[in-house]
Amino acid sequence: DTEVTQTPKHLVMGMTNKKSLKCEQHMGHRAMYWYKQKAKKPPELMFVYSYEKLSINESVPSRFSPECPNSSLLNLHLHALQPEDSALYLCASSLLSTQYNEQFFGPGTRLTVL
Amino acid sequence: SQELEQSPQSLIVQEGKNLTINCTSSKTLYGLYWYKQKYGEGLIFLMMLQKGGEEKSHEKITAKLDEKKQQSSLHITASQPSHAGIYLCGADTYSGAGSYQLTFGKGTKLSVIP
Repeated sequence: DTEVTQTPKHLVMGMTNKKSLKCEQHMGHRAMYWYKQKAKKPPELMFVYSYEKLSINESVPSRFSPECPNSSLLNLHLHALQPEDSALYLCASSLLSTQYNEQFFGPGTRLTVL
Repeated sequence: SQELEQSPQSLIVQEGKNLTINCTSSKTLYGLYWYKQKYGEGLIFLMMLQKGGEEKSHEKITAKLDEKKQQSSLHITASQPSHAGIYLCGADTYSGAGSYQLTFGKGTKLSVIP
């Protein structure tokens, strides 16, 4: 299995809702990432998990809460989002090798906040 | 922080023509990655370059890293409509705790006219 899967593909939520995005990989990768991508912009890093521990939090608002239940799964819990949080949310994983650190990306979740 | 500048920002070519996309870094590159993205989808890993002077090819796409490791180019030979998309270069930045961070350029939008 050489892919990263993300669910759901599309999500529409109100500002008072609580929802979660899910990401899964079975490549034995030990680093997992969440990115946010606005239209016509490159992806912006939000969080990094290394060996299931949060290693980077790029000053993301607390309404985004990441969780890594095990080495294959990554969740992003959403609560009280704002319309400006509407974006494509991408998950990625990598091997965490000293030589090869290419990240493999999932197809993304298109989030719309009303 | 590392900054990557891509040029051109957009490119329209006739099918069958060759083209080159450039990526210039403000700092020495220790890992340079090329990705392709279709609108609203995830990033597809193309190639990784690490050594000065390195060149890699896959099908009709060739990527090079210059000797000084501050510039990379992506060359497509005999372009096809399937090559259309946004090409992103990304650079490795070690963030500590065994994790790496990818910094992306702003992307080059390629359109191929049949």
